[in-house]
Amino acid sequence: AQSVTQLGSHVSVSEGALVLLRCNYSSSVPPYLFWYVQYPNQGLQLLLKYTTGATLVKGINGFEAEFKKSETSFHLTKPSAHMSDAAEYFCAVSDGRSEKLTFGTGTRLTIIP
Amino acid sequence: DADVTQTPRNRITKTGKRIMLECSQTKGHDRMYWYRQDPGLGLRLIYYSFDVKDINKGEISDGYSVSRQAQAKFSLSLESAIPNQTALYFCATSDPGQGGGYTFGSGTRLTVV
Repeated sequence: AQSVTQLGSHVSVSEGALVLLRCNYSSSVPPYLFWYVQYPNQGLQLLLKYTTGATLVKGINGFEAEFKKSETSFHLTKPSAHMSDAAEYFCAVSDGRSEKLTFGTGTRLTIIP
Repeated sequence: DADVTQTPRNRITKTGKRIMLECSQTKGHDRMYWYRQDPGLGLRLIYYSFDVKDINKGEISDGYSVSRQAQAKFSLSLESAIPNQTALYFCATSDPGQGGGYTFGSGTRLTVV
């Protein structure tokens, strides 16, 4: 079985500050890891994913995440927050074979002007 | 046109009524999924289908049924709606080998009164 824990259901950062959204996973097999973003009244959009290979993954809109096996983590970061980053972010894991995704409970990011 | 289209976008129905949520996709993917989103719970898998003849229950399938009418169409039914089925429902598709890189629809907001 796989699971994802997102620490912090709400995160607020000032515009221009570092964004750090935390995700820890549990998986009995090598995981595939994903970050999705959901803007108000929209579906989820893939930000980035880790499958194999390079552990630092770059995504859209300046976001990146690093897979750390020893820490079972896949935290999402962005050096400088923009107002347009305000959204809900979901971390997800799959076993890479079934392609079924298990999602975390989400983190709502608020940007303070 | 959107890659994954869900209808209706919003629906209010009464307890005990039967309701169908529809999903169609133009991605040409075999794999389709239905998730529900509840505040604080993230997204949970209801049903998934790997092709027209392969339909599987997810973690919360009780009270729901599905129909895969064609590669492009995957419908979710609530046979007798109850208030705790009030939620945001998402359909998604995936491309085999992507390990979970889903394309989501915009969602159907269902309220059961």
